[in-house]
Amino acid sequence: SQTIHQWPATLVQPVGSPLSLECTVEGTSNPNLYWYRQAAGRGLQLLFYSIGIDQISSEVPQNLSASRPQDRQFILSSKKLLLSDSGFYLCAYDQGRNQPQHFGDGTRLSIL
Amino acid sequence: AQSVTQLGSHVSVSEGALVLLRCNYSSSVPPYLFWYVQYPNQGLQLLLKYTSAATLVKGINGFEAEFKKSETSFHLTKPSAHMSDAAEYFCAVSDRGLTGGGNKLTFGTGTQLKVEL
Repeated sequence: SQTIHQWPATLVQPVGSPLSLECTVEGTSNPNLYWYRQAAGRGLQLLFYSIGIDQISSEVPQNLSASRPQDRQFILSSKKLLLSDSGFYLCAYDQGRNQPQHFGDGTRLSIL
Repeated sequence: AQSVTQLGSHVSVSEGALVLLRCNYSSSVPPYLFWYVQYPNQGLQLLLKYTSAATLVKGINGFEAEFKKSETSFHLTKPSAHMSDAAEYFCAVSDRGLTGGGNKLTFGTGTQLKVEL
């Protein structure tokens, strides 16, 4: 069966520190991968997506970046965190056009 | 551009009562529609999906939704609410791909369902 893992579950970081959130998918090959940020009352905002290794597209300009070094690994990074980067980050995958996306359990990021 | 409107950010029902969560979409082409549920501090779990087959879609946990093209709606219902249904529910639409592949999912802002004794 297919599963998706995200870690850490929670993270508290000071402003200006670096960030690395990791997401891995098991049980499928060549998935489409996505990073979302969820803010209260505002639904989900798509940040990055990837259709293959080293193929990353950004949906919104921001302080974050993403990488996909392996087929089933997706990493969200920042060199210097801002207060506005606080939020709930969700990784998701799907297996093709118009297939439903499946989500990890998310990372709650708090910036102090 | 596709968009999703969920009427009512908070809905409260009594246990055993009908659950009705509203979703209206706009799309220039026939859409694919999804309902997700999110429990506190967890990711989103797929409840059901509409992909142009039957207009009445049955999902997990006793939920179902009906696609009505004339009303551009995809409302979520459940005949009898359980306490365990208390969660946030998101409607999403996909009617186009992303550049190079992938699916553009547009989410509504969510409806928090409260179930009271």
